[in-house]
Amino acid sequence: AQKITQTQPGMFVQEKEAVTLDCTYDTSDQSYGLFWYKQPSSGEMIFLIYQGSYDEQNATEGRYSLNFQKARKSANLVISASQLGDSAMYFCAMRGPYRTQGAQKLVFGQGTRLTINP
Amino acid sequence: DTGVSQDPRHKITKRGQNVTFRCDPISEHNRLYWYRQTLGQGPEFLTYFQNEAQLEKSRLLSDRFSAERPKGSFSTLEIQRTEQGDSAMYLCASSLYSPPLANQPQHFGDGTRLSIL
Repeated sequence: AQKITQTQPGMFVQEKEAVTLDCTYDTSDQSYGLFWYKQPSSGEMIFLIYQGSYDEQNATEGRYSLNFQKARKSANLVISASQLGDSAMYFCAMRGPYRTQGAQKLVFGQGTRLTINP
Repeated sequence: DTGVSQDPRHKITKRGQNVTFRCDPISEHNRLYWYRQTLGQGPEFLTYFQNEAQLEKSRLLSDRFSAERPKGSFSTLEIQRTEQGDSAMYLCASSLYSPPLANQPQHFGDGTRLSIL
């Protein structure tokens, strides 16, 4: 079974600082995918970034980057130059191997509430 | 490009009543998913469709829950004889499944928040 663990219930960061949100995962599959989503207070889950288990490079999308350490089974999200609008819940999620039942659903962690202080 | 749309945004009902939620996915997406999110938790998978076929249901989806996607476009999730424990945010997501392209992200709607009195 797949499991995602996010150990930081809350994080407080000063505006313009970089922040790292931790995510560790557990799976026996060799092929899997890791996602990060942002959930503002409005409720919508916003896709941020994706990392495949066979991707050799760490994924980057604008101010977001994913620090993927496969041997340690961690996929931490790094947000550079944080902004007030980054305040939200952040969820790490994984899917199973492509073309299996596990690929069709996301397993989410419990989330980290990020607060950016001015 | 419109996103995933869910209706209603909020639903308050008495225990024992039936409720139905609607989800309109992104138009070109052939996969549609339902998740449930309780307070302080991440979303949990309920079921998903590819076109009109319901291909997987979680054991979280009791007999009181039924989902349909009759024409492969919008979907409805119905809960019969609601219970207090059904209070949650119900999220719908859609994605494009188009092999060999893999790893298409699921795009979520704003959710329907259900409160059972």
